[in-house]
Amino acid sequence: GAVVSQHPSWVICKSGTSVKIECRSLDFQATTMFWYRQFPKQSLMLMATSNEGSKATYEQGVEKDKFLINHASLTLSTLTVTSAHPEDSSFYICSARDWQGSGNTIYFGEGSWLTVV
Amino acid sequence: DAKTTQPTSMDCAEGRAANLPCNHSTISGNEYVYWYRQIHSQGPQYIIHGLKNNETNEMASLIITEDRKSSTLILPHATLRDTAVYYCIVGAGNMLTFGGGTRLMVKP
Repeated sequence: GAVVSQHPSWVICKSGTSVKIECRSLDFQATTMFWYRQFPKQSLMLMATSNEGSKATYEQGVEKDKFLINHASLTLSTLTVTSAHPEDSSFYICSARDWQGSGNTIYFGEGSWLTVV
Repeated sequence: DAKTTQPTSMDCAEGRAANLPCNHSTISGNEYVYWYRQIHSQGPQYIIHGLKNNETNEMASLIITEDRKSSTLILPHATLRDTAVYYCIVGAGNMLTFGGGTRLMVKP
């Protein structure tokens, strides 16, 4: 079935550096992908909508210059956390809808743990 | 998207059916009911979704009331590996808005 894959699964970076997380739809094309963030013991919070070939749209309170999103192809969206701070440490998850597959279902990636030290 | 209300937590004995309720009284006509679960430290896993009719797949059954204001997810024979947070979400587009979910604990 349809699969959404993220890489890396976990990453540790130093404060002030940037880190890139990839989200791929493995067997379907996704013109739109979504990025969520989840802090411990909390639910998923939508950060932004990634649009293939155009600018991402960000939820209120999410800094677009800090969380850079690029959706250069129909199967890949990237989230870059720039100038990372310890408070950016979180679980980042992406999702995409498989419009053509049976069930027209939204799938989520495995998530990426970011720890900023 | 319409909001949902779920119990914070539930327990279920291993091997028994787990029935997870969800209220979505403000659901609109074109919104689907989706169920996902999240096991610790993993991304949400799709379980099932439906619009009006009851649905069944290899994982679970979804019962939607006739007025569509509530639904129940049924795991017919719960196992210890079904322990997770279960999210009931209603929506019509690509984006899903998550509520608090129900933390299901399956006990031996």
